[in-house]
Amino acid sequence: KAGVTQTPRYLIKTRGQQVTLSCSPISGHRSVSWYQQTPGQGLQFLFEYFSETQRNKGNFPGRFSGRQFSNSRSEMNVSTLELGDSALYLCASSSMSEVGRAFFGQGTRLTVV
Amino acid sequence: QQQVKQSPQSLIVQKGGISIINCAYENTAFDYFPWYQQFPGKGPALLIAIRPDVSEKKEGRFTISFNKSAKQFSLHIMDSQPGDSATYFCAASFYSGGYQKVTFGTGTKLQVIP
Repeated sequence: KAGVTQTPRYLIKTRGQQVTLSCSPISGHRSVSWYQQTPGQGLQFLFEYFSETQRNKGNFPGRFSGRQFSNSRSEMNVSTLELGDSALYLCASSSMSEVGRAFFGQGTRLTVV
Repeated sequence: QQQVKQSPQSLIVQKGGISIINCAYENTAFDYFPWYQQFPGKGPALLIAIRPDVSEKKEGRFTISFNKSAKQFSLHIMDSQPGDSATYFCAASFYSGGYQKVTFGTGTKLQVIP
């Protein structure tokens, strides 16, 4: 079974631009969560989607948004990029049969210059 | 109340020694406590997990000790090896509103020196 796939792996953007990150969950997983990881800050929860609906959201500004498609693939968008948005963005999927367990992708390393 | 406090932030252990990472929580509704291991350039991966009905779980060199009354749990890595050098995250989750809610600790960077 293929794991969680995130694209692209690396991204360099200029301040003020916007970016879209993609996540394909494990087949059969309907829940997708997004996290921001920065040195010293651990895993900061962004939001979670289940069956195309956002059912949980972290404390991030409205510049961070996401969506989920009918095939459970998810995208995350960050508008008006700031230097502080530079981070590793991780996507995790989970299934109802393995409650509480998250399967992470390798992440997208975003650098804002 | 949703927080999980993890310590230490970083840890250096000699090869063959015991690595111990601690986590504490407040919310008694948490009912699943996993530990994740993350190597540089990779996403976190589940290492070992425990439910509050047992006080200890061991898988190879990795052991979770769970103290329900103190609301604390810890990861012990016996005979630590350089290959164990990674960042470790504890987490806690509970079922609410029809789904599991997960909270992660802030991570511990472990370095095992030869």
